[in-house]
This record gives sequence, structure tokens and C-alpha cells, in this order.
Amino acid sequence: DAGVIQSPRHEVTEMGQEVTLRCKPISGHDYLFWYRQTMMRGLELLIYFNNNVPIDDSGMPEDRFSAKMPNASFSTLKIQPSEPRDSAVYFCASSGGQVNNQPQHFGDGTRLSIL
Amino acid sequence: QKEVEQDPGPLSVPEGAIVSLNCTYSNSAFQYFMWYRQYSRKGPELLMYTYSSGNKEDGRFTAQVDKSSKYISLFIRDSQPSDSATYLCAMSQAGTALIFGKGTTLSVSS
Repeated sequence: DAGVIQSPRHEVTEMGQEVTLRCKPISGHDYLFWYRQTMMRGLELLIYFNNNVPIDDSGMPEDRFSAKMPNASFSTLKIQPSEPRDSAVYFCASSGGQVNNQPQHFGDGTRLSIL
Repeated sequence: QKEVEQDPGPLSVPEGAIVSLNCTYSNSAFQYFMWYRQYSRKGPELLMYTYSSGNKEDGRFTAQVDKSSKYISLFIRDSQPSDSATYLCAMSQAGTALIFGKGTTLSVSS
């Protein structure tokens, strides 16, 4: 059974460019989470969806960040315009059942560098 | 005060040692406690899950929750070089998403 699939694995781009990160959750999972991981701040929840609907986006740092989930098998996280401080590893995770007590399955992340 | 505090380490031990990893938290409403293991350049994977207080054992791993002290621990017995990774605690209350600690980096030398 395929796990959570993220693309691209690495992205290097210049400040001001639009960045789109993609995620395919595990089939049958109805929760999808986007995280950002840095040395300074650890793993931070940006936004999560339940049945394709955004439930909590309080972790989205600013209006430059947006996330969509057009269907149960695909989600995007977009940064426009990108800034050097957005450099981090971005993870997508999915889970079934309830939001608080089911294991989350993570992808291998997108390593983003903004020059 | 952050909701979840975790000493980042790094922690270095010889093979065969007993390892103790800890987290403290401030929200007394937390009921679900998890430990994730993250290898370099990979996503975190669930290692242990405990509901409310008490102990849970799985092979060489034991998770403990002390709600009165707001303190959770992960013990690794007979540590192996393959245990070298970053360990993240995570916890939540009913109806809310997990909150993760920053992670403790463990290195086990052979």
C-alpha cells in the first residue's frame, strides 16, 4: 500500500517566485495535514483538512501561504511570493478516524530553499 | 511557556545503554500522547501511542505518562545503532490536532 506521496522532494528557487508543493494522501484517509519543520521552531502545523474542507488554518504564517484540497486524493500548498525565511522542510501527513487520536502517516517531505 | 517542551539534545550513548527521552507540557486537557521517530531526510513515523496515564511497552520501547506532573517519557532498552534518529513527542486533547515537541536527536554508537 503506497504511503503519503509528496512532490517535489527538493525545490530551490529565487525570492519572489511562486512555489507549489503537492501531496497525495493515503487512500481512505479523511484527514490531511500540512506541516513545516525548521531547526528553530520544530514541526509546526500549518493547516489541516477533513473530508477536503479546511478545518484549522491558524498555523498558516501569512497571506502569502494558501492551501487547497480539490479532491480526496490531492492537496497543494502554495507560497506566493516566496521569501528566504520560508526555507524549511514541508511535510504532508494523512490519517483516518478522529483528528486527535489516530496515527498520522507522513510523507518524506519537500526540502525548500528560497535564495 | 510553550505547550510542549522537549530537550533537543543531542544525546549520545554507547550501544546497549538505556535511553530516557522526556517531554513536559502545560495543558492539563491533553489526553493522547504519542512518540514519533524521524530518521534523517525522512518523515516522522509513529512509534508509541498512549491514552491518558500509565505505561505501555512494545519490545525494547516503554512509554510512560504522568499526568499529575505533566510529564511523559520514552525509554529504550538495549539501544542499537539503528535507534539513532530524532524522537518527537506529540500530544492532543479531544477534538484538536496533535502538537509536537521540537524533538531530541539520539546517536547510538557501536
